[in-house]
Amino acid sequence: DGGITQSPKYLFRKEGQNVTLSCEQNLNHDAMYWYRQDPGQGLRLIYYSQIVNDFQKGDIAEGYSVSREKKESFPLTVTSAQKNPTAFYLCASSDRSSGNTIYFGEGSWLTVV
Amino acid sequence: SQQGEEDPQALSIQEGENATMNCSYKTSINNLQWYRQNSGRGLVHLILIRSNEREKHSGRLRVTLDTSKKSSSLLITASRAADTASYFCATVTTGNQFYFGTGTSLTVIP
Repeated sequence: DGGITQSPKYLFRKEGQNVTLSCEQNLNHDAMYWYRQDPGQGLRLIYYSQIVNDFQKGDIAEGYSVSREKKESFPLTVTSAQKNPTAFYLCASSDRSSGNTIYFGEGSWLTVV
Repeated sequence: SQQGEEDPQALSIQEGENATMNCSYKTSINNLQWYRQNSGRGLVHLILIRSNEREKHSGRLRVTLDTSKKSSSLLITASRAADTASYFCATVTTGNQFYFGTGTSLTVIP
């Protein structure tokens, strides 16, 4: 089936550790995005990539890093510099072929313990 | 931040009633979209309205857009318990950047 796969669904991190959230899409979309959602809140853009080997910071990029080495993959690393990383993370992709709509994965819950 | 705002933050109605939620935004847009999110899940696209359109319908959904006021509304008619979810507006710039609102939590009571 076509879509966006995020893994893991649930992740626990000890303070001081880096963790990487995986995002893979088989929709052949050029653009990919990472959003953070805190309980009862809207979505805030962390990073986005319009094309392979290029990405841009969003509104809350501090403490996060990304890479876009392949079109289908856009992993997000939550570094130890992110002071309050506990949140729900959503990966998404879009393309002109999708009518400029954005498709989301099912999200990953990250908890710092 | 270019995040939009939605109101009300929460809305509770009886099944069969209509639900209206509003979105205000700050940027110039190429189009505006509405999405639905069930608890703990990803967002799902509902409807898109372009900046040169004023109203659009899709099934029980009706969306309006007023670019002079930088606002949009989503009307869900004849609501059902299955409509219970959070609803988000997203403004899309000409550079294909998406900015989401803060969301309206809708509860439809059977």
